[in-house]
Order: sequence, then structure tokens, then C-alpha cells
Amino acid sequence: GAVVSQHPSRVICKSGTSVKIECRSLDFQATTMFWYRQFPKQSLMLMATSNEGSKATYEQGVEKDKFLINHASLTLSTLTVTSAHPEDSSFYICSARGQGWEETQYFGPGTRLLVL
Amino acid sequence: AQSVAQPEDQVNVAEGNPLTVKCTYSVSGNPYLFWYVQYPNRGLQFLLKYITGDNLVKGSYGFEAEFNKSQTSFHLKKPSALVSDSALYFCAVRVRGILTGGGNKLTFGTGTQLKVEL
Repeated sequence: GAVVSQHPSRVICKSGTSVKIECRSLDFQATTMFWYRQFPKQSLMLMATSNEGSKATYEQGVEKDKFLINHASLTLSTLTVTSAHPEDSSFYICSARGQGWEETQYFGPGTRLLVL
Repeated sequence: AQSVAQPEDQVNVAEGNPLTVKCTYSVSGNPYLFWYVQYPNRGLQFLLKYITGDNLVKGSYGFEAEFNKSQTSFHLKKPSALVSDSALYFCAVRVRGILTGGGNKLTFGTGTQLKVEL
């Protein structure tokens, strides 16, 4: 299957700072990337959908000014958590999908964010 | 709107025994169904998918799933469980053939923790 990487795998930051998480599709072109948040022992919560070269579409209740998403190329999307607070601590997972409705969505290994 | 139900939070099975993890779905249109597995502190790994064709789908690591349209189910099965199969399993659905709006998104179930014991 296709490979999606995320960097960093784990990050600890101070409250008020910004953190950038990268998501890369390593062996395919991802026309669409998704960002999820997962709380302990819970399912994935979709935060936003991004298509290469256009603005991300955010889910209801997700602050777009706080969670900045950029999908600058067909292999890279970034999520920046701005002015992070302890309640932003979570497991963030990206996924990527190629062109075509039948394409499978492949997931990255996730990034554990801890805001102190 | 689309939804997925995984009625069991946890499934326990002895190694060597068959396992079943249940999933039912609701979608407007034809479904595109997936199973993913998640190990602790990791992302989701793709196991298998159903698009169309044979109702029995075979996937990675010996897993298979059967699409049942009348029961709107897509249960995950394996003939002989291994301790290493212990993980969190997610069923997901999307509307087949649509890439815009809500059809663009995967809807996940709440997950089923599978525990395989010796």
C-alpha cells in the first residue's frame, strides 16, 4: 500500500507557542489530504479536508484561525496549531488520498502533541 | 448523512479461534466500505475495502470481510486469530462515486478493541 509519513512523531511545547506538523505522501500524489484528531480511547474526529492548491474545508466547530492548514503540493500538507493551549494536547493524524473516487485513504503514523 | 455502528467496544477471543468484529452502516447511495487497524500510539493501517463485485473481500494479514447489502453490514472476520492481531479496529464508510461535499469524507465507527489471548 501507499505510504504516508508525519513529522514530528511527538512534540512537547509551551502554552502560547505554535507547532507545525507535516504530512507527506511518499510514493503517490495526494490530491486530497485530511487532518484528524483523536482523543484517548475514541474514534477519529475529522478536522478539515484540504485539496492541493486550494483552501481547506473545516468541519463545524474547528477554528480555522487556530488550526492552519496548507496543502502546497501534491505530496505535502501542513497543520499549524497556533497559540497552543493544554486543551490542544491530542493525537493528530493525517491521511492522504489520490485522485479518483475509488482511491483508498492512507493514514500517517500520527503526531502526539503535548502542550504544557 | 452517513454513519457507522460498531456495537462491541471490545471483543475477546482465544488464539486459534475464529474472530468476528461487527460493523453496520447507513449511507445514502452505494457504500464504499473500509476496515482499518490501529496499534497503540500509531496511525491507522488499511486492511481491506469493498467497492463493488464479490461480497467477500480478502485483505491483509488473513482478514476478510463480507458485505451484506440487505443487513447493511460489513463484518470483519479471520479464521484463526493471533495474539498479534490484538489492536483497535475501525470500520468506515463513504458514498461510492462521489468526491464532493459529505461524500468526500470517511465516516468512522467508534472502534472495537480486539484482544486475543493465549
